[in-house]
Amino acid sequence: RKEVEQDPGPFNVPEGATVAFNCTYSNSASQSFFWYRQDCRKEPKLLMSVYSSGNEDGRFTAQLNRASQYISLLIRDSKLSDSATYLCVVNDGTYKYIFGTGTRLKVLA
Amino acid sequence: NAGVTQTPKFRVLKTGQSMTLLCAQDMNHEYMYWYRQDPGMGLRLIHYSVGEGTTAKGEVPDGYNVSRLKKQNFLLGLESAAPSQTSVYFCASSRLQGSGQPQHFGDGTRLSIL
Repeated sequence: RKEVEQDPGPFNVPEGATVAFNCTYSNSASQSFFWYRQDCRKEPKLLMSVYSSGNEDGRFTAQLNRASQYISLLIRDSKLSDSATYLCVVNDGTYKYIFGTGTRLKVLA
Repeated sequence: NAGVTQTPKFRVLKTGQSMTLLCAQDMNHEYMYWYRQDPGMGLRLIHYSVGEGTTAKGEVPDGYNVSRLKKQNFLLGLESAAPSQTSVYFCASSRLQGSGQPQHFGDGTRLSIL
């Protein structure tokens, strides 16, 4: 089993739609969780950290479920510019960050 | 407000040539990392450093060497380049681990080995 697993997609959604991605992790001792966005072989950019109580940043909402060991990202009112690959990242409190292979999102006009 | 800077951005090498990729960060981060990313695959850790003068192997270290002589710089060397090392290389840095410290990435070096 991979340490961090994501559905690779692609998720093709129309503009204005709401879309959600999940990510599961295997290490129950994981401490920090993040969502990154990566455009077409450019560098990953931090989208948001994920906090235990859940957190929101504009159209983006992240949730953490420690009991079931998954995190989620919800994007509301999708824009064309949201088309990218979304990476789930988990840190165990050490130097080690584990990256999922990403979920591709394509927002269609 | 540079963050993490990688040089060069692009390079083409012939098999057997050597080169060094430079990563510089101006955020006073203790941890630095080198990753490679190949088409259809996720990021794979090559080497990392938890402080000046220290380096350690990641999951795919073969064929690479690193040095961290100064806190702000992390160098990745290819002693004898091979076509299998054609990839996009990303450098990242982060603070000492407390709670919720994300990594910050440079914009990558695209390396082709012919």
